[in-house]
Amino acid sequence: AQSVTQPDIHITVSEGASLELRCNYSYGATPYLFWYVQSPGQGLQLLLKYFSGDTLVQGIKGFEAEFKRSQSSFNLRKPSVHWSDAAEYFCAVGPSGAGSYQLTFGKGTKLSVIP
Amino acid sequence: NAGVTQTPKFQVLKTGQSMTLQCAQDMNHEYMSWYRQDPGMGLRLIHYSVGAGITDQGEVPNGYNVSRSTTEDFPLRLLSAAPSQTSVYFCASTPLDPGIHEQYFGPGTRLTVT
Repeated sequence: AQSVTQPDIHITVSEGASLELRCNYSYGATPYLFWYVQSPGQGLQLLLKYFSGDTLVQGIKGFEAEFKRSQSSFNLRKPSVHWSDAAEYFCAVGPSGAGSYQLTFGKGTKLSVIP
Repeated sequence: NAGVTQTPKFQVLKTGQSMTLQCAQDMNHEYMSWYRQDPGMGLRLIHYSVGAGITDQGEVPNGYNVSRSTTEDFPLRLLSAAPSQTSVYFCASTPLDPGIHEQYFGPGTRLTVT
């Protein structure tokens, strides 16, 4: 069964500082990997996704993530955080290929930004 | 496109009452799903559907019922509400295309059961 671990429940960073949110997954083969962001009171918005190919993927809002097969990780990074990045971030894993579209989500990391 | 819409946005129920959470999408997506979100638990899959007339259970299906009579609509029914069903419910849709695989989420329904 697939699973996702986000080790950090809550992270606080200063505006302008760099950010890294951790995500580790468990899956038998190469999975599809996703990062979603949820602003307070809102639904989830896709930041970026990894299917195959280049292990460094770029997303919206200046975010990027790196897939590391050897570490079963898909960490999200941003070089300079803005106050508007304060939100909850969810990593998700799904089976690769056609036939199943079920995603398993991590429990989320809440990001607070200090002005 | 309106995307994925959910109604109502907020609902308060008494224990034992029944209700239907509505979800509709106008993107002609075959795959639709319902999640519940509880603090510290992330999103957990309740039910999903790969097309009209086809539904299946997710991780936490007990106490919920779904049907899919059209591609556009995927209602979630609470048969007899319990306080444990207090949660935020999200509907999502995605096309059955492995090259896309992105789930589009609705804005959510916040349900309180007293």
